[in-house]
Amino acid sequence: QVQLQESGPGLVKPSETLSLTCTVSGGSISSYYWHWIRQTPGKGLEWIGYIYYSGSTNYNPSLKSRVTISVDTSKNQFSLKLTSVTAADTAVYYCARTRGFGDLVDYWGQGTLVTVSS
Amino acid sequence: DVQMTQSPSTLSASVGDRVTITCRASQTISSWLAWYQQKPGRAPKLLIYKASSLESGVPSRFSGSGSGTEFTLTISSLQPDDIATYYCQQYNIYPRTFGQGTKVEIK
Repeated sequence: QVQLQESGPGLVKPSETLSLTCTVSGGSISSYYWHWIRQTPGKGLEWIGYIYYSGSTNYNPSLKSRVTISVDTSKNQFSLKLTSVTAADTAVYYCARTRGFGDLVDYWGQGTLVTVSS
Repeated sequence: DVQMTQSPSTLSASVGDRVTITCRASQTISSWLAWYQQKPGRAPKLLIYKASSLESGVPSRFSGSGSGTEFTLTISSLQPDDIATYYCQQYNIYPRTFGQGTKVEIK
């Protein structure tokens, strides 16, 4: 059974960089698309972007200038970096998998709360 | 981006009632519409895909309909376990976008 687990700091200061890692277990990171999705009380669910195992990426235009998603196939992990954070970036961050470019998520992480505050 | 608008934002109904939630897309998305159920502290759970296909293991009291820009999720007989927030999501184009959610409560 594939499992995804987010990890990273739960508290980030304004203007700093949010960094999260998603570790994939029970299956290979190869041949799938790996996504980050966040959920805030104000904006609800928001798709952040994806990375294909080969390294190609696609980001939400609303966040594109601040987002980088990377993959480490040797560790079966992929990561999210979001720069210049503000309180509006406070959210539960989920990592997730899709089988193909046009598919729905078939596996979700449990989510991790990241709070932006000084 | 495709804007997804759900209504109502909150719904209060009695056990056994028929419940309907509506989702409208700002442009046509064919049938590339999914419905999710989310309970507090949990990731969204897929109920319906391609507008009307029931995900495996989901009770048959859930059904979806629509195409183009207008979609509905129906719970034929509301059960206590259905208390949750429901979201629609379009997967016709990127960026993927979600409705703002409908919170279903028991009256």
